[in-house]
Amino acid sequence: EAGVTQFPSHSVIEKGQTVTLRCDPISGHDNLYWYRRVMGKEIKFLLHFVKESKQDESGMPNNRFLAERTGGTYSTLKVQPAELEDSGVYFCASSQGVSGNTIYFGEGSWLTVV
Amino acid sequence: DQQVKQNSPSLSVQEGRISILNCDYTNSMFDYFLWYKKYPAEGPTFLISISSIKDKNEDGRFTVFLNKSAKHLSLHIVPSQPGDSAVYFCAARYGSSNTGKLIFGQGTTLQVKP
Repeated sequence: EAGVTQFPSHSVIEKGQTVTLRCDPISGHDNLYWYRRVMGKEIKFLLHFVKESKQDESGMPNNRFLAERTGGTYSTLKVQPAELEDSGVYFCASSQGVSGNTIYFGEGSWLTVV
Repeated sequence: DQQVKQNSPSLSVQEGRISILNCDYTNSMFDYFLWYKKYPAEGPTFLISISSIKDKNEDGRFTVFLNKSAKHLSLHIVPSQPGDSAVYFCAARYGSSNTGKLIFGQGTTLQVKP
């Protein structure tokens, strides 16, 4: 069974440009999460989808970040326009349920804004 | 406001000895705690978890202890192996919420020397 897959694995863009990250969760997982780790610090929650609906987007930094999950399958996270402080590793994760269920992480998309 | 803290950035132990990784939290509403292991350039991998109604959970060489009164948990690895060298993240989840949002600590880098 395939795990959580993310694309691209690495991206280098200039300040002001747009980047779109994609996540394919584990098949059958209704819950999809985006997290971010900046500069070796803690991994921070961005948002949580249940199927196509945003359950919790309390961690989204600002309106330059837009996450979508049309059809409740894969998800995209767009950063527009990108700023230097957006550099970091963006992790996607998924789980079957919420309470008591393990959350499985992808390998991450490394974003560098120069 | 760091609700989950791992105060030791790094730990070095000899192969075969015990590794003890510590984690403190501040929010008494957390009801589920998890440990993740992360190798370089990979996503976090679930290791072991514990519900707040328990004080110990064991899985092979890994044991997690929870002290609710002290708001402290620890991960014991016995015996430690070189392959255990990685970054270990402690994470907590709110019980009353219907979100699977995890609050992570900063991570502790474990080095097991042969």
